[in-house]
Amino acid sequence: EAQVTQNPRYLITVTGKKLTVTCSQNMNHEYMSWYRQDPGLGLRQIYYSMNVEVTDKGDVPEGYKVSRKEKRNFPLILESPSPNQTSLYFCASSFGHGGARNTEAFFGQGTRLTVV
Amino acid sequence: AQSVAQPEDQVNVAEGNPLTVKCTYSVSGNPYLFWYVQYPNRGLQFLLKYITGDNLVKGSYGFEAEFNKSQTSFHLKKPSALVSDSALYFCAVRDGTGYALNFGKGTSLLVTP
Repeated sequence: EAQVTQNPRYLITVTGKKLTVTCSQNMNHEYMSWYRQDPGLGLRQIYYSMNVEVTDKGDVPEGYKVSRKEKRNFPLILESPSPNQTSLYFCASSFGHGGARNTEAFFGQGTRLTVV
Repeated sequence: AQSVAQPEDQVNVAEGNPLTVKCTYSVSGNPYLFWYVQYPNRGLQFLLKYITGDNLVKGSYGFEAEFNKSQTSFHLKKPSALVSDSALYFCAVRDGTGYALNFGKGTSLLVTP
């Protein structure tokens, strides 16, 4: 089954304690991205990756890091989380080559992060 | 730059009535337009997309959307709403130069019995 898997689904942590949210896809997609969803703001892109070892900032990258060492995995790292990073996070993947802009993105189930 | 506007935070409709969720977009070049639905505690699920061709596109769960180039709109519609359609709906656009999806703020649809 084609899917994007995120872990954990729920996470409560304290300010400053490093954490990683994992994301894995099984569709051989080139393009992967992270979004955060906040009430009234919709989804905003944090970081994206066009392929292995190719990452770039999205609209709201401050306080986040990513890596893309393998095509299927795209972890989101919060080195020193702060309360304003409390949010619902989604990983997404899609084809990212040539004329693939007409293809839809697949989303993970989301990670609800609370930073206290 | 590309952007999407969903002018209504919430849409209320009675079960059995037609529903419309509005979306307008701004993009340079030809747009690729998408609708997603989010049920509580779930991820986003793809509903339908417009790439080219027929302005009326049909998608999952009986939903359809009408592309209007002159009005730069892509409204989501369903002829007869179900209570189970109650969810958060997002419109998204991708332009012809990249792969990022730019989302609207979402519209909460409430269908009452």
